[in-house]
Amino acid sequence: DAKTTQPPSMDCAEGRAANLPCNHSTISGNEYVYWYRQIHSQGPQYIIHGLKNNETNEMASLIITEDRKSSTLILPHATLRDTAVYYCIAAGYTTDSWGKLQFGAGTQVVVTP
Amino acid sequence: GAGVSQSPRYKVAKRGQDVALRCDPISGHVSLFWYQQALGQGPEFLTYFQNEAQLDKSGLPSDRFFAERPEGSVSTLKIQRTQQEDSAVYLCASSLGGGAAYNEQFFGPGTRLTVL
Repeated sequence: DAKTTQPPSMDCAEGRAANLPCNHSTISGNEYVYWYRQIHSQGPQYIIHGLKNNETNEMASLIITEDRKSSTLILPHATLRDTAVYYCIAAGYTTDSWGKLQFGAGTQVVVTP
Repeated sequence: GAGVSQSPRYKVAKRGQDVALRCDPISGHVSLFWYQQALGQGPEFLTYFQNEAQLDKSGLPSDRFFAERPEGSVSTLKIQRTQQEDSAVYLCASSLGGGAAYNEQFFGPGTRLTVL
């Protein structure tokens, strides 16, 4: 699976949009981009995923560049409960990957009042 | 609704003891994953089950680690002769489908293992 690169940390003001970047320049054609987050002392939580089209759900939006080498997760109106470590993961399905997720260090997002 | 549950939530073991960590996945979920998360790091894959079959155990760090899912539902991760470097949070995740990456994984709260 392709390696991803994220900034180690970022701050965001409550009520503002949070834009979390991720680089995945070696992503292959059958790999999806996944975002999970992990609130302190909890297990990771799925946020969103996409292949090449932009995606939106009730939690966030995912913008993937046309060349698929980078993406941005957008939390439209950050709240204090969005403080967490956010993981960007490139993962595909092959007979030897089984959908396992390779987490990096992620981005620690702190939402401040 | 019922999510993935793990027990115990906290386990303290003396070095050399054997431990068993339990995972109850969401009912009907085919896939089950175990991950290990050291302090300050992201989770790392340990092993994968599709129903009762262990299809990937490439992430198990040594032969002291053993996992099973005999009836395709509850899974147990066993660590024999625990060492201090085994101290970590052990996370279990399940997904509905048969291992395809586009299946959302649902994680349990984890078991925090401390080896003294």
